[in-house]
Amino acid sequence: RKEVEQDPGPFNVPEGATVAFNCTYSNSASQSFFWYRQDCRKEPKLLMSVYSSGNEDGRFTAQLNRASQYISLLIRDSKLSDSATYLCVVNNDMRFGAGTRLTVKP
Amino acid sequence: DAGVIQSPRHEVTEMGQEVTLRCKPISGHNSLFWYRQTMMRGLELLIYFNNNVPIDDSGMPEDRFSAKMPNASFSTLKIQPSEPRDSAVYFCASTLISGYNEQFFGPGTRLTVL
Repeated sequence: RKEVEQDPGPFNVPEGATVAFNCTYSNSASQSFFWYRQDCRKEPKLLMSVYSSGNEDGRFTAQLNRASQYISLLIRDSKLSDSATYLCVVNNDMRFGAGTRLTVKP
Repeated sequence: DAGVIQSPRHEVTEMGQEVTLRCKPISGHNSLFWYRQTMMRGLELLIYFNNNVPIDDSGMPEDRFSAKMPNASFSTLKIQPSEPRDSAVYFCASTLISGYNEQFFGPGTRLTVL
């Protein structure tokens, strides 16, 4: 089993839709979790950290479920500019998930 | 403040040649990572350093790959001899403390081995 696994995608959604991605991890001792965004032919950049109590940044909500060992990212009211690949990383392992590609269409 | 700097940005070489990729981390960061990204395998951790010391090189594909960090501001990833299957984008990233803080990525080196 891979250390970090993500929804395979791709996700193709219309503008304004709500979309959610999950990421499961195998190391129960993991302490820090992040979501990164990667645009085509660019480097990954931090989107948001994931806190134990869940956290929100505008249209983006990140949650952690320790019991089931997964993190999630929810995007509300999706915009064309949200089209990208979203990567989760479990920092104790410093392994990234394979990424989920999102395309938001007009 | 400059981010992570990588060079070259693009490299095209022939099979069997030596390739050296370079990275300058963000000043003050204590950890440096080398990743490889391909469509098939995604973003793979090759090796990381804490305070210039290699900590985990289990992701290094084989003996053809080697990485060094002679000081806090410079690291190299060398492939000798290169093979077509090494073609990928190689990213360097740095962070303040590995395992806890955000990683900052360089722009990557796009390597093509013919």
